[in-house]
Amino acid sequence: GESVGLHLPTLSVQEGDNSIINCAYSNSASDYFIWYKQESGKGPQFIIDIRSNMDKRQGQRVTVLLNKTVKHLSLQIAATQPGDSAVYFCADAPLPWGQNFVFGPGTRLSVLP
Amino acid sequence: EPEVTQTPSHQVTQMGQEVILRCVPISNHLYFYWYRQILGQKVEFLVSFYNNEISEKSEIFDDQFSVERPDGSNFTLKIRSTKLEDSAMYFCASSPLSLTGGNNEQFFGPGTRLTVL
Repeated sequence: GESVGLHLPTLSVQEGDNSIINCAYSNSASDYFIWYKQESGKGPQFIIDIRSNMDKRQGQRVTVLLNKTVKHLSLQIAATQPGDSAVYFCADAPLPWGQNFVFGPGTRLSVLP
Repeated sequence: EPEVTQTPSHQVTQMGQEVILRCVPISNHLYFYWYRQILGQKVEFLVSFYNNEISEKSEIFDDQFSVERPDGSNFTLKIRSTKLEDSAMYFCASSPLSLTGGNNEQFFGPGTRLTVL
């Protein structure tokens, strides 16, 4: 079946460094992608989204890159801060404007002092 | 800042019992969702709801599950006869109607932890 997966289950970075979290998806018809952050004991929090007609989108300290050729999505966090420590999920919403988001298993980001 | 709220925060029930999980979405939002997350696993979509009817549902959302918007503020998930494997964190989410269809930011509640004994 179609699935969204993550390459690395854990990532440790030094405070102030940039973080890159990767995600692979398998549904070639996917049109809409979201990155979520989930802190311990809380629900997922929307970070940034991107549509398939774009290959890059920037937010505040975050950038999402989409490579449709290899079905790969990444989240870049600039100047990583301790508050960025969390589990990060990518999610994919297939056409047409579906709400049936398929989540990846998550990558745990640990920011080291 | 408006937020999605969920009650109870923790529900313990016996196998075979019915449970109702409650959510109050953000007031001007029109799409509502339920997700579940089994401990240590990924978030799974259950159902989306728009205009007083189910918009999409996953394979998980079988006949044991139902959703309802009984009034203008609450959105509920009912599990008719709980099974051990229903034990999970259940998240409610809501999103505003996107006229362009391109931005579907979902705001999640804090979750209800359901424990089936």
